[in-house]
Amino acid sequence: AQSVTQPDIHITVSEGASLELRCNYSYGATPYLFWYVQSPGQGLQLLLKYFSGDTLVQGIKGFEAEFKRSQSSFNLRKPSVHWSDAAEYFCAVGAGNSNYQLIWGAGTKLIIKP
Amino acid sequence: NAGVTQTPKFQVLKTGQSMTLQCAQDMNHEYMSWYRQDPGMGLRLIHYSVGAGITDQGEVPNGYNVSRSTTEDFPLRLLSAAPSQTSVYFCASSFRAGKDTQYFGPGTRLTVL
Repeated sequence: AQSVTQPDIHITVSEGASLELRCNYSYGATPYLFWYVQSPGQGLQLLLKYFSGDTLVQGIKGFEAEFKRSQSSFNLRKPSVHWSDAAEYFCAVGAGNSNYQLIWGAGTKLIIKP
Repeated sequence: NAGVTQTPKFQVLKTGQSMTLQCAQDMNHEYMSWYRQDPGMGLRLIHYSVGAGITDQGEVPNGYNVSRSTTEDFPLRLLSAAPSQTSVYFCASSFRAGKDTQYFGPGTRLTVL
């Protein structure tokens, strides 16, 4: 069965520091992968997605993610975080079959220290 | 474009009561879905629809009912509310199922006493 793991429930980073949020998935073939962000009290917004091709994907708000097949990972990165990046981040995985469902990770809450 | 709208934003129910959470989108999206979000569990799919007149169950459908009579609207009905249904509910839509970006509503925070 497909699964998505976000190992870190919370991450605290100083403003201006770099960020990496981890996402590992379990799936037999190449999945399609998403990162969404949820600001406090709001719905989710897509940051970026990967289907095929270049394994380094650029997204909105200065985020990028790298697909590593050998590690079954799709980690999210940002070189320098801003206080406005404080939010919860969700990784999601979909499969290229008739199943329309995305499998979601439990989320990582990002806390920014001033 | 209003995007995806949900009403109400907050609701408190007593055990056994029924209610309908409303969801509408104005983007002409075929695919709509309902999720519930619980702490530490991410999003879990309740029901989804790939077009008007077509609905199917997701991961956690028990206690919920949906219908899709129009492209725009996808209401979620709680038949007999239980405390286990206390959660935040999100409606989402996308042009098609699968790879397309999902657009989320602002959520409904439901408490069942």
